[in-house]
Amino acid sequence: IAGITQAPTSQILAAGRRMTLRCTQDMRHNAMYWYRQDLGLGLRLIHYSNTAGTTGKGEVPDGYSVSRANTDDFPLTLASAVPSQTSVYFCASRGTGDEQFFGPGTRLTVL
Amino acid sequence: AQSVAQPEDQVNVAEGNPLTVKCTYSVSGNPYLFWYVQYPNRGLQFLLKYITGDNLVKGSYGFEAEFNKSQTSFHLKKPSALVSDSALYFCAVRGSSWGKLQFGAGTQVVVTP
Repeated sequence: IAGITQAPTSQILAAGRRMTLRCTQDMRHNAMYWYRQDLGLGLRLIHYSNTAGTTGKGEVPDGYSVSRANTDDFPLTLASAVPSQTSVYFCASRGTGDEQFFGPGTRLTVL
Repeated sequence: AQSVAQPEDQVNVAEGNPLTVKCTYSVSGNPYLFWYVQYPNRGLQFLLKYITGDNLVKGSYGFEAEFNKSQTSFHLKKPSALVSDSALYFCAVRGSSWGKLQFGAGTQVVVTP
């Protein structure tokens, strides 16, 4: 069982470019989340999805969009990347026991 | 609004000594409290949670946490720290909003041999 996979592992991106971070889970969890991790700020919620077909905004949604066409996939898109979006991005899903399972992360650098 | 405070950026402890990582929270309603650990270049891993019941919660790798409602705290503890416990620890709280966690800034634990 892979759990949650994220791709790419890391990416260097020119400002203004469009980028999609991929997230796939094989646990059939309904709820999924995207966080960004920045030093000294912990994890901040970008967007979430309680079930396939629905999404919601988190704490820091500006500049990001998500879709949830099916249970397994939850991609995060940066329409026009800016340097302040340089961060480590984590995808997570919520299990039946209420704990969240995290992917390995994507390290994104926007120049 | 909900919030979590981890007052220590770093905790240093010698191997074999007790380890405590502090966490206080603010939330409307009954709190759902969690601890996660992050090793270098890895995602977060679940350690333990408090939902209801006994105030002392036992989790993975010998960790435990004590829920104190009057002090709004949920400190993480381990009786005897190991070098391999060196990692970044996050406290998180969920209140009335379904499924959305609020994370603290994290505490770096350094265990020296």
